[in-house]
Amino acid sequence: RKEVEQDPGPFNVPEGATVAFNCTYSNSASQSFFWYRQDCRKEPKLLMSVYSSGNEDGRFTAQLNRASQYISLLIRDSKLSDSATYLCVVNGLSGGGADGLTFGKGTHLIIQP
Amino acid sequence: GAGVSQSPSNKVTEKGKDVELRCDPISGHTALYWYRQSLGQGLEFLIYFQGNSAPDKSGLPSDRFSAERTGGSVSTLTIQRTQQEDSAVYLCASSPSSGEANTQYFGPGTRLTVL
Repeated sequence: RKEVEQDPGPFNVPEGATVAFNCTYSNSASQSFFWYRQDCRKEPKLLMSVYSSGNEDGRFTAQLNRASQYISLLIRDSKLSDSATYLCVVNGLSGGGADGLTFGKGTHLIIQP
Repeated sequence: GAGVSQSPSNKVTEKGKDVELRCDPISGHTALYWYRQSLGQGLEFLIYFQGNSAPDKSGLPSDRFSAERTGGSVSTLTIQRTQQEDSAVYLCASSPSSGEANTQYFGPGTRLTVL
């Protein structure tokens, strides 16, 4: 099983729709989870941390399911500017280095007008 | 305030040459990280600095790769005798301190092309 696994997509979604995607992780002891956003040919930027109770930031909702070892990101009322690659980041995995942060390969989201 | 800066933004070199990449972290950030990202791939961890020391060099792909950080600030990543497979975007990130919960802030990267 890959340490951090994401569906690479692309997810093609009409503007205004709701889209959700998941990320699975291998270490049940992981404690810290993040979603980063990466635009084409740009650096990754933190979108939001993921807390145990779930958290919301505007149109974005992140949830953690420890039992099934996945985190999710839901985007409501999607905008054209949401088009990007969304990276799942988890700590406590082998070989993650840098205090154990491991980045997934990302899910590519395309919002269509 | 100023973010993480990296130079050069683009570097084209010939196979076998040495290259030096520079990272200037956010002022006051003690932790500094180097990653590389090949086209269409995820981030590959290379090395991590806490202050001037490098507690984790596990990601360096070969002994041609080295990095140093002086004065707890600027870091340089050196690749000797470059190979075509070294072509990638090299990203630097910094955070206020070490620890998994600390957000990493990324620089714009250096795009390295080895001909």
